[in-house]
Amino acid sequence: DAKTTQPPSMDCAEGRAANLPCNHSTISGNEYVYWYRQIHSQGPQYIIHGLKNNETNEMASLIITEDRKSSTLILPHATLRDTAVYYCIVRATGYSTLTFGKGTMLLVSP
Amino acid sequence: GAVVSQHPSRVICKSGTSVKIECRSLDFQATTMFWYRQFPKQSLMLMATSNEGSKATYEQGVEKDKFLINHASLTLSTLTVTSAHPEDSSFYICSAGAETQWDYGYTFGSGTRLTVV
Repeated sequence: DAKTTQPPSMDCAEGRAANLPCNHSTISGNEYVYWYRQIHSQGPQYIIHGLKNNETNEMASLIITEDRKSSTLILPHATLRDTAVYYCIVRATGYSTLTFGKGTMLLVSP
Repeated sequence: GAVVSQHPSRVICKSGTSVKIECRSLDFQATTMFWYRQFPKQSLMLMATSNEGSKATYEQGVEKDKFLINHASLTLSTLTVTSAHPEDSSFYICSAGAETQWDYGYTFGSGTRLTVV
């Protein structure tokens, strides 16, 4: 699986949009970009995934650059409960493992 | 949505004893289950992959005789930490996936905090 690079930490004010970047310059054509988050002392939670088109669901939006070498996860209106470690993972679909990097610790403050 | 139940959430055991952790897929049949370990302030590290009815595949450096994995049914996998020592204290997390859901990644359990004293 391709490697990803994320900033170690980010801060965001409650109610504002949180934009979490991820670099994946060695992504292969058949690899998707997945985002998970892990709230302290819990298991990771799936957020969203995409191949090349931008994606949106009830939790977040995923913006993938045209060359697919980077992406941004957007939490449109961050709340205190969004404080967590966010992991960007590139992975081929089907049967393949999820390899976690160090992620970004997002701290949402009042 | 898919739900994975993991028990116990916390366990404290004495050094030298064995501990069993259960991972159940509640509303789907899990073709594959994964076991991860997470030390404080570190990321999740994959320990092993198990497929129903087959022997688990362990990652390099993970002792298969120490971390026994059983995936006897499509809804249950167990991880047994044998002869536990303080250095085995960690957060253990399982995840499960069904073939029909693989494109969406996998569903994770809530984790088990193991403390060996």
